[in-house]
Amino acid sequence: QVQLVESGGGVVQPGRSLRLSCAASGFTFSRHGMHWVRQAPGKGLEWVTFMSYDGSNVYYGDSVKGRLTISRVNSKSTLYLQMNSLRAEDTAIYYCAKGEYTSPYVLDVWGQGTTVTVSS
Amino acid sequence: DIQLTQSPSSLSASVGDRVTITCRASQNIRSYLNWYQQRPGKAPKLLISVASTLQSGVPSRFSGSGSGTEFILTIFSLQPDDFATYFCQQSYSPPLTFGGGTKVEIK
Repeated sequence: QVQLVESGGGVVQPGRSLRLSCAASGFTFSRHGMHWVRQAPGKGLEWVTFMSYDGSNVYYGDSVKGRLTISRVNSKSTLYLQMNSLRAEDTAIYYCAKGEYTSPYVLDVWGQGTTVTVSS
Repeated sequence: DIQLTQSPSSLSASVGDRVTITCRASQNIRSYLNWYQQRPGKAPKLLISVASTLQSGVPSRFSGSGSGTEFILTIFSLQPDDFATYFCQQSYSPPLTFGGGTKVEIK
C-alpha cells in the first residue's frame, strides 16, 4: 500500500542544521509532486514546501524561505528537507505528504511525521 | 497569500448530532478547497477534495459544499470516531494555506 516514512528528526541547537528524509513506497514516486507540512506543538498545520514530480517547480512558505530546501531523488523514491539556521520556532512535527496525480496541491497521503526540536 | 478562516475554532457535540464547520477564504478560490481530519497523535487524513469530492473510504455522513470564498463541511450524525480536529486547505495557488482548525469534542 502507499506509504511515506519520515526520518531524521531530533534535538538540535539553534543555528544548526538537520536533514529530514521521506521514503516513499507503494506508488510511482516520480509521477507525484511532494510536500512538507509541519505542526508546532499544540498548533495547527503549516504548509512548508512543495516540489513537482520532476523538480522543475518548487515553492516555499514565507517563514522558511532561504533556510529550508526541498529536494528529491526519484531513483530512490525519497524526498528530503534540508534545514539550515534552525530557530526555536522551527520546532514541530514534520510530515511529508504526496500530491494527487492530477491535482498536485491536494495532499492525499501523509506520513506519520518526524519530530524536530530546536533547543539549546 | 490566501488566508483561510475557520469557524468555530472548537465545538462540543453529542453522538448523532449534525455538525457544521465553515471555512472562509480571503479571495475567490473557486472550488480549490480541501478538508482534512486529524485525530490526536495521528497524521492528517484527506476527507474531501475540490470542495465536495468525498475520498474513497470516507463515510457518506461527511459532506462538503461551497465555492468562491465560503465552504462548509457537514458531518451528519456524528459518530465516536469523528471526534477530531478538522482543517481546511486551499489548493488554488502556492503558498498553500490551511485554516486554523476546528476541534470537535464530545459534549
